Order: sequence, then C-alpha cells, then structure tokens
Amino acid sequence: KNQVEQSPQSLIILEGKNCTLQCNYTVSPFSNLRWYKQDTGRGPVSLTIMTFSENTKSNGRYTATLDADTKQSSLHITASQLSDSASYICVVSDRGSTLGRLYFGRGTQLTVWP
Amino acid sequence: EAGVAQSPRYKIIEKRQSVAFWCNPISGHATLYWYQQILGQGPKLLIQFQNNGVVDDSQLPKDRFSAERLKGVDSTLKIQPAKLEDSAVYLCASSRLSGQGGSPLHFGNGTRLTVT
Repeated sequence: KNQVEQSPQSLIILEGKNCTLQCNYTVSPFSNLRWYKQDTGRGPVSLTIMTFSENTKSNGRYTATLDADTKQSSLHITASQLSDSASYICVVSDRGSTLGRLYFGRGTQLTVWP
Repeated sequence: EAGVAQSPRYKIIEKRQSVAFWCNPISGHATLYWYQQILGQGPKLLIQFQNNGVVDDSQLPKDRFSAERLKGVDSTLKIQPAKLEDSAVYLCASSRLSGQGGSPLHFGNGTRLTVT
C-alpha cells in the first residue's frame, strides 16, 4: 500500500535553533517528492522538489535530502524564525503523468517560540 | 501572477443543507484539483480535472458531492446534502501541467466548512 509517513507529528523549538523533519514513504514507483509549507489558515506552498537522482537541494534556510534506496526524505531548517511556524507536508508522486497519483503525508506541525 | 482564488472563505450550514464552493485557478493552468483537509491531516484528493475533463474522481463521494469545471477555467464543488463529517477545509489547487509530473500545485487559501 502506497503511504507517506511523517515524523514527528509536532515539534516545538526555540527561535534560532535548527530542526529536521522526516518523511518515509512506501510509494512505488517513485517519480518525485515535494515538501510544502502550510501556514495556519492558508493553502500549502511548495518549498522544494526532489527527483530520483537528487540527494540534496536547498532553498534558503531549508535543505531537503532524499535517499531513494531507503525511501526517506528529510527537511532541515536552519536558524529557525518565528515565521517558520507552520505545518510541513511531504507529498510523493508515483508517476510523472496525469495517470499517476500524489500521496500526502499528515504533516509535521512546527512551532517556533521566541 | 494572481494566485488561486476561492470563495467563500468560511461557511456554516446545518446538516442536510446544500453548499457550493467556487474556485478560479491561475490563468493558463490546465490542471485543477479539489482537496478536503480535515484538521490535523494532510489534504485528501476529491477530484482532479485536466482542462474540463475529469482525470480522477475515485475518492469523491458521488452520492452527495459533485464538481464541474466549465470551459476549463473556473470550477465549483457542491455538497448536497451535507453531513457532520463534511466539516473540513476545502482546498482548490491548480498546476500548469500535472502535479504528478513535477509541476508544483498552487493552492488557494481554502473554504472552511462547518456543518452543525
């Protein structure tokens, strides 16, 4: 069964600290993995996309990694800011066409305290 | 570019009533999605359109939910009659090509539905 599991479910950190969010998937075949950030009361916004051949990709203070062998991805946030407080959702695509499906994780709720 | 527009922002109805949501995607985006997001969960696909044709509606409760995309642009999602378990945020998203192919989904801010 194709699934996307995220951990932890929730996380509280102090401003300025780093954190790492995890995404494990069983989706097969694999086309790509995307991380989204969802602020409270808003729709998700794409942060980064990882394809099979990519191991690491950065977007500002966000760095995503992908291990296609173990089917794991992580999102590392450096020097956290209050505005990083949001839900982070991992989404995996099984095929690179409209015939494929997108599988959503339940998200990790990150709270950054001052 | 203008983002995905959704209305209304909030809606409160009683069970067994009907409700409709409207979505205007980003101009030129061929693919449009409707998702249901229950509090604390990830979005669940209800229906996917490619232009004005349905690509995937396998998870749409067709006995009460319906959706259409007129002329391949705007879309409406209707629930009739509503049940208590329909309380959720309904997100509309669009993408230039298909999200499965790697194009990012652009989401609207959603409609929060409360069924009492």
